[in-house]
Amino acid sequence: QVQLVQSGAEVKKPGASVKVSCKASGYTFTGYYMHWVRQAPGQGLEWMGWINPNTGDTNSAQRFQGRVTLIRDTSISTAYMELSRLSSDDTAVYYCAIGDVRQQLNPWGQGTQVTVSS
Amino acid sequence: SYVLTQPPSVSVAPGKTARITCGGNNIGSKSVHWYQQKPGQAPVVVIYYDSDRPSGIPERFSGSNSGNTATLTVSGVEAGDEADYYCQVWDSSSDVVFGGGTKLTVL
Repeated sequence: QVQLVQSGAEVKKPGASVKVSCKASGYTFTGYYMHWVRQAPGQGLEWMGWINPNTGDTNSAQRFQGRVTLIRDTSISTAYMELSRLSSDDTAVYYCAIGDVRQQLNPWGQGTQVTVSS
Repeated sequence: SYVLTQPPSVSVAPGKTARITCGGNNIGSKSVHWYQQKPGQAPVVVIYYDSDRPSGIPERFSGSNSGNTATLTVSGVEAGDEADYYCQVWDSSSDVVFGGGTKLTVL
């Protein structure tokens, strides 16, 4: 079955960077866009961006442009999201999910808690 | 950028019908997907492409989309349906957009 397994929880200081991984299995990794979505405590879902694992092309939400880097390693079917210049506002659960243009995002990873605290 | 508007909360008695709306400019021209999220869990698709239901999702869940409003309908609401629900579309810039979410409370 299709499965996305994310890396473990992270605690970072303000100004640092965090890199979250998402390992895919059960399907052709290069066949579907990989998305990153975050959810701050008690808040809604916020889309961050996607990467096309086949070409490496990316698209990110305007508010994250310049601060988010989306990459992939096709040899190990893993996508990565790196967010730089962290602040307390970046404390959230970060999810990966697959879905092509106009498609739903399905399935989702289990989520990775990122806490930014001095 | 495209904006989706959902009511923050909807309350319904068990066995009744809950309707959760998602408003957007000419949203009827877009495909709308709906997610259910329970506390501490990742979102799960309950309706995709406006009205299609994934396998394993009860027939009680249905969707419609026309004009400026998409609607998720949950018939015969059960206690287990209590969750947050989000609508989602792709906008013209190939960005993904989520609504703000609606908390469904079963009275």
